[in-house]
Amino acid sequence: AQSVTQPDARVTVSEGASLQLRCKYSYFGTPYLFWYVQYPRQGLQLLLKYYPGDPVVQGVNGFEAEFSKSNSSFHLRKASVHWSDWAVYFCAVSKYYAQGLTFGLGTRVSVFP
Amino acid sequence: DPKIIQKPKYLVAVTGSEKILICEQYLGHNAMYWYRQSAKKPLEFMFSYSYQKLMDNQTASSRFQPQSSKKNHLDLQITALKPDDSATYFCASSQDPGTDSDYTFGSGTRLLVI
Repeated sequence: AQSVTQPDARVTVSEGASLQLRCKYSYFGTPYLFWYVQYPRQGLQLLLKYYPGDPVVQGVNGFEAEFSKSNSSFHLRKASVHWSDWAVYFCAVSKYYAQGLTFGLGTRVSVFP
Repeated sequence: DPKIIQKPKYLVAVTGSEKILICEQYLGHNAMYWYRQSAKKPLEFMFSYSYQKLMDNQTASSRFQPQSSKKNHLDLQITALKPDDSATYFCASSQDPGTDSDYTFGSGTRLLVI
């Protein structure tokens, strides 16, 4: 069965520093992978998605992610964090037809000056 | 303008009562979904609909019943509410139910059962 593991429940980072959020997936076949962000009291917004092809995916607001089949990973990165990046970040893998997405538990990112 | 409207945003219900959560999408999508986000659990897929037909049901309890009166509507009826049903319920949609689809989420209905 598909699964997604986000090993870091919380990450604290200084504004302007770099950020990496880890995501490991388990999936039989070709995975379609997603990163979503949830700002306080809001719904989920898509940051980026991976479809088979270039392993590095560019997303919105300076985010990018790198897919690694050998490591079963899809880590999210940002070179310079802004205070507005304070949010919860979810990694997800597409399940089978009409079964939506399987999500990780999320990583809560706090940004301090 | 929000592309997926969920109503109400907040809902307090008494144990044993029944509530309906509303979802309308204005993206022209053909597939709609319900997810539940409970404390300390991952977002859980509940249902998927495509062209107003149930495609998949991953909810163990029959107390949860989706209702689709129109192609862009997918409401969620919850009967005999329990405190454990307290969660944020998200509606989502995609162009079609394929595995490579993009999913758009609503802002959620936060349900508290007392």
